[in-house]
Amino acid sequence: SYVLTQPPSVSVAPGKTATITCGGLNIGSKSVHWYQQKPGQAPVLVIYYNSDRPSGIPQRFSGSNSGNTATLTIIRVEAGDEADYYCQVWDSSINHQVLGGGTKLTVL
Amino acid sequence: EVQLVESGGGLVKPGRSLRLSCTASGFTFGDYAMSWFRQAPGKGLEWVGFIRGKSYGGTTEYAASVKGRFTISRDDSKSIAYLQMNSLESEDTAVYYCARAGAASDYWGQGTLVTVSS
Repeated sequence: SYVLTQPPSVSVAPGKTATITCGGLNIGSKSVHWYQQKPGQAPVLVIYYNSDRPSGIPQRFSGSNSGNTATLTIIRVEAGDEADYYCQVWDSSINHQVLGGGTKLTVL
Repeated sequence: EVQLVESGGGLVKPGRSLRLSCTASGFTFGDYAMSWFRQAPGKGLEWVGFIRGKSYGGTTEYAASVKGRFTISRDDSKSIAYLQMNSLESEDTAVYYCARAGAASDYWGQGTLVTVSS
């Protein structure tokens, strides 16, 4: 089955740029979605179709996808961005959703 | 406003069954697929399965970890999606979330906790 690989943790200082990667075989050919989950809360969709932002998501959040890596980028990081982030794709070979293991973003 | 509210969680003994409900409002429920996810304590999100909308036959897909034990159904007249969980195991202990499914899950409920323990 298809596997998505994320770094367990990423740390960044306030005001800097955070980059969270999601690796998968030829992931560039798939549509990648990203979710943010803060402690004790339900996940929130922050990026869909690789780079689109739902309404209400700040422009500081962006996404890209090429080759074997999809990337979620957060510029001008704020303390409120501290959360777990998950990438997701649809594995059409078996009709399953696939989620990455999640990345804990720590704002120093 | 789109709202999803899960209910039916609780403490259940291994081997027993439990049915979760996801009550939706704020959108035309029958037009959307609905997904279930879960999150074990201190772990990441896991996709459980989903049910397509009526225009796609209302068919279902399941993760390998629950296939044959869990069943997803829907009642479009009541705007409710169900997750029937049979033969529960301790490894099924988790917060269970329902989500409106399209290509991405754009709305999520707040989750309901299922604890499987003797």
